[in-house]
Amino acid sequence: DTAVSQTPKYLVTQMGNDKSIKCEQNLGHDTMYWYKQDSKKFLKIMFSYNNKELIINETVPNRFSPKSPDKAHLNLHINSLELGDSAVYFCASSQGLGSNQPQHFGDGTRLSIL
Amino acid sequence: GQQVMQIPQYQHVQEGEDFTTYCNSSTTLSNIQWYKQRPGGHPVFLIQLVKSGEVKKQKRLTFQFGEAKKNSSLHITATQTTDVGTYFCADRGSTLGRLYFGRGTQLTVWP
Repeated sequence: DTAVSQTPKYLVTQMGNDKSIKCEQNLGHDTMYWYKQDSKKFLKIMFSYNNKELIINETVPNRFSPKSPDKAHLNLHINSLELGDSAVYFCASSQGLGSNQPQHFGDGTRLSIL
Repeated sequence: GQQVMQIPQYQHVQEGEDFTTYCNSSTTLSNIQWYKQRPGGHPVFLIQLVKSGEVKKQKRLTFQFGEAKKNSSLHITATQTTDVGTYFCADRGSTLGRLYFGRGTQLTVWP
């Protein structure tokens, strides 16, 4: 009964490939996020969605395309993977945009580009 | 954009020693959330501070929010090896749906 689950946990692929990461939350939250964490542990927000609507797009290259089919799911598709895309990608969710509710993170997807 | 400066970036302590990480901002913080990320794990929410001068405790952890709401700290008394991880502060800020994370403090505890 994991609250925020993302798949796959590990992704090893070659430069130039296209890959997707899936995220689902069963907390009933209406806001979901994608974060990128680099090797120095810096957590950088990429996107946030509220009720399937894009709220934040943090100047991420357009090779990254999020999709939210419903408020419980937020997937991330990445085209033409580059070496610099190697990182851990975290999905998170929270209740409400303006509320003070905490964010709940998934276990992360460790993406390695060869 | 808003920035939350967090120091130190790394801290190594002997088990039993105290540890403190600080978050500072040049602008007034909206509210501060603290998260802990164990090695190989994901950030986990610890606590939220909202009021000026607020102090909250969780066992050996003490969280403070500055009187001017421009800084916050997390203090751990008598560290244990289970405290190992990266501690992040994050400010709710003025942009809806966004948390501004500090760069984190990576704590290592030697037994």
